[in-house]
Amino acid sequence: QQQVKQSPQSLIVQKGGISIINCAYENTAFDYFPWYQQFPGKGPALLIAIRPDVSEKKEGRFTISFNKSAKQFSLHIMDSQPGDSATYFCAASDYGQNFVFGPGTRLSVLP
Amino acid sequence: NAGVMQNPRHLVRRRGQEARLRCSPVKGHSHVYWYRQLPEEGLKFMVYLQKENIIDESGMPKERFSAEFPKEGPSILRIQQVVRGDSAAYFCASSQEQGGSTDTQYFGPGTRLTVL
Repeated sequence: QQQVKQSPQSLIVQKGGISIINCAYENTAFDYFPWYQQFPGKGPALLIAIRPDVSEKKEGRFTISFNKSAKQFSLHIMDSQPGDSATYFCAASDYGQNFVFGPGTRLSVLP
Repeated sequence: NAGVMQNPRHLVRRRGQEARLRCSPVKGHSHVYWYRQLPEEGLKFMVYLQKENIIDESGMPKERFSAEFPKEGPSILRIQQVVRGDSAAYFCASSQEQGGSTDTQYFGPGTRLTVL
C-alpha cells in the first residue's frame, strides 16, 4: 500500500515534443506529490509538486495533472529539450511522515 | 543559503572496513532522511531522523548499519564491516521544522561508496 508505481521505465522524445510520465498510488493518506529530477552523478532536485486539492499545477514547461479519484498523477514536459534528459522520480508523502519514491523514468530528448 | 551538504563525495573502502557518511542539512532544517540508490535504480528509503531521535528506521538493514543526528553537528550514517553489496550512492535529504513544510525534501549531492 506504500508503493508508488511509475511508468514508463524509459522514454525517448524528439526535441519539441511532449514528455509524459505517469504515477499511481494506493495509500489514500498521501497528501503531497512531488516530482524530482536527477542528472547523472547528482542528487535529486525538486522540480514541481502538487497537493490533492487541485487537479493541475503548471510551472513553465512542467505541468502536474492529478486525478484524486483514480489515485494517479502525471508529469507533462512541454517543448521537451535535450537539457531535460534526466531521470525523473515521482513521490508521495503523508504529512511528511512517510515519503515513498517511484522507481524512476529515464528520459532522453533527442536533438 | 547553503543546501544539503554531504561528505565525502566519494568513498572507497575494502571489505570489512567501516564507512562513515556525513550530512549537514539545510540551515534551519531539523528533519533528515537517508536513501540508498543502486546504479540504474530508484531511491530506497533507509532512515528518518530528527535531532537526537530516530523516527523511522524501517528501511535500514538490521545489522551493520546505524544512523544518528546529534544535537550538534551533522547526521552520520555508519556502515560497519562493509561488503561489496553496500556499494551504492547514499543520499541525504532534509526538511523543515514541524509547522513549516516538512513535506518538501531537499537532497544533497550524495556520497558514492565503493567497496573493493
